[in-house]
Amino acid sequence: GAGVSQSPSNKVTEKGKDVELRCDPISGHTALYWYRQRLGQGLEFLIYFQGNSAPDKSGLPSDRFSAERTGESVSTLTIQRTQQEDSAVYLCASSAQLDSYNEQFFGPGTRLTVL
Amino acid sequence: GIQVEQSPPDLILQEGANSTLRCNFSDSVNNLQWFHQNPWGQLINLFYIPSGTKQNGRLSATTVATERYSLLYISSSQTTDSGVYFCAVVRNNAGNMLTFGGGTRLMVKP
Repeated sequence: GAGVSQSPSNKVTEKGKDVELRCDPISGHTALYWYRQRLGQGLEFLIYFQGNSAPDKSGLPSDRFSAERTGESVSTLTIQRTQQEDSAVYLCASSAQLDSYNEQFFGPGTRLTVL
Repeated sequence: GIQVEQSPPDLILQEGANSTLRCNFSDSVNNLQWFHQNPWGQLINLFYIPSGTKQNGRLSATTVATERYSLLYISSSQTTDSGVYFCAVVRNNAGNMLTFGGGTRLMVKP
């Protein structure tokens, strides 16, 4: 079946503008995660949604970052007043969360460049 | 938080050679995954292996959870194996987010 999809694949914006990044998880997956990957580095956790529970926002780097999820489907990550240090690839993942099994599958990412 | 260390950071192999990549972690985990990030940036799932041994073609992995390490074996390497290999773990009783190691950058030369 279809994997995790993200849009746009690339986004170039000017410093100070707001951006919205979209993630469509694998159908039926109840858990959705956002991560960030800076150039040449590993991934950093940002935020996690599980069903109707309150999201785990512990990885968000500042209050300029927020995310929403509609039910168990699409999620949007919003970055307000973008800064150059926000330039990175933003990756979304989803998992089925079946008992203790929670293998995460990643989308292709959105490459954000803040000029 | 949990620390995840991968070694070696860089590895150059001649096509056909075998290699072992290591992942050490500092606390007990309930999930461990190995990924291959290809040159286009896509993360490809290799193994979901919180414990035990698994094999998939030329790749195999072993996790010894009690000793807090995992190994990824690549046999008969091919140029298409080039890229970055990441180990990532979910710490016990600490949410469900993955904590990633710094990766091993592999280059396989023809």
